[in-house]
Amino acid sequence: EVQMVQSGAEVKKPGESLKISCKSFGYIFADYWIGWVRQMPGKGLEWMGNIYPDDSDTRFSPSFQGQVTFSVDKSINTAYLQWRSLKSSDTATYFCAREREGVDAFDIWGLGTRVTVSS
Amino acid sequence: AIQLTQSPTSVSASVGDRVTLTCRTSQGVSGGVSWYQQKPGEAPKLLIYAGSNLESGVPSRFSGSGSGTDFTLTISSLQVEDFATYYCQQFSTYPYTFGQGTKLEIE
Repeated sequence: EVQMVQSGAEVKKPGESLKISCKSFGYIFADYWIGWVRQMPGKGLEWMGNIYPDDSDTRFSPSFQGQVTFSVDKSINTAYLQWRSLKSSDTATYFCAREREGVDAFDIWGLGTRVTVSS
Repeated sequence: AIQLTQSPTSVSASVGDRVTLTCRTSQGVSGGVSWYQQKPGEAPKLLIYAGSNLESGVPSRFSGSGSGTDFTLTISSLQVEDFATYYCQQFSTYPYTFGQGTKLEIE
């Protein structure tokens, strides 16, 4: 079964670092772009950017450029989203999703990782 | 960046109603838009891709149409499980962007 399994909820303090994960199953990990999507509490979906696991080619939305880092570990079919210094405004649920080639859509989604940043 | 404006922001309807949701893009989108359904506490679910293609497993009461800058999602006969928030998204140009969503509520 094709699925994406995300790491569990996190509670952090402002200024702390964080790396959350998204592990893919059931398909060739290297061949599909993976996108990251933010959803702040009670708000809509925001495209943060994406990464191509085969060569780690990365694109960012201007709103997130320089704020987060994307990476992958092809040996374990896992993508990561990382912050060096969290802010309270990073409190949100973060989804990873697979971009199906030739279809221009996110066809498989993780369940989301809730990140709470509070002092 | 291409902006996507969905209308209405929210709509109330009854089971059995036909509902049409709209997504307007600030520039032409060559590959069409995709449509997602999201229920509270859940991940979004793909319904329609490339403007009018029904994702496998999605009921046929959902349909998409449109081209250029104007796109619609139609639900032909609302079921209880369809009450949710719907988002459109474009993959034509980076940054890929979502509409702000339309919340479909029970009347």
